[in-house]
Amino acid sequence: DGGITQSPKYLFRKEGQNVTLSCEQNLNHDAMYWYRQDPGQGLRLIYYSQIVNDFQKGDIAEGYSVSREKKESFPLTVTSAQKNPTAFYLCASSIETGYQPQHFGDGTRLSIL
Amino acid sequence: DAKTTQPPSMDCAEGRAANLPCNHSTISGNEYVYWYRQIHSQGPQYIIHGLKNNETNEMASLIITEDRKSSTLILPHATLRDTAVYYCIVRVRAGNNRKLIWGLGTSLAVNP
Repeated sequence: DGGITQSPKYLFRKEGQNVTLSCEQNLNHDAMYWYRQDPGQGLRLIYYSQIVNDFQKGDIAEGYSVSREKKESFPLTVTSAQKNPTAFYLCASSIETGYQPQHFGDGTRLSIL
Repeated sequence: DAKTTQPPSMDCAEGRAANLPCNHSTISGNEYVYWYRQIHSQGPQYIIHGLKNNETNEMASLIITEDRKSSTLILPHATLRDTAVYYCIVRVRAGNNRKLIWGLGTSLAVNP
């Protein structure tokens, strides 16, 4: 089955450590996205990538970094500079960044101890 | 800024149609309306999208008013598994690209 795989589902890290969240898609989509969701808030865009080796900042990119070395992979690193990293992180992909809908993975819940 | 307005919560009896309204009075002429739903602790699931004409797929129907300032998502025969938060979303221009603006959605409870 084609889809988006995020791993792990739950992640715990100590304060001050960097942590990398995995996102893989086998839909052959060009565009990929990272969102953050906090209780009582809508999804907020962290980073997005339209093609391999290219990505742009979203609305809340500070304290995060990404890479897009392969079409199917778009890992997100939450750095120690992110002041409030505990959240639900969602990865999405779409055929392109135009009007085609985005499809989401099942998310990674990150908790900082 | 949220570009859509939805009621925070709704109830629906199992087997009945669920009609979820959305106002998007500032939508541009070439912007699509998208609907997603999210079950607790899962990723959002795409339902349907449309521009001007009404749309229907295996999950739902989307009715868009002629002036495009509002729309209604219709789940024709709601089941308990349709209990979720439903998001109505439009794209806004962000530089040379477009991005989705997510609000808080409507929490739909389907009751037995």
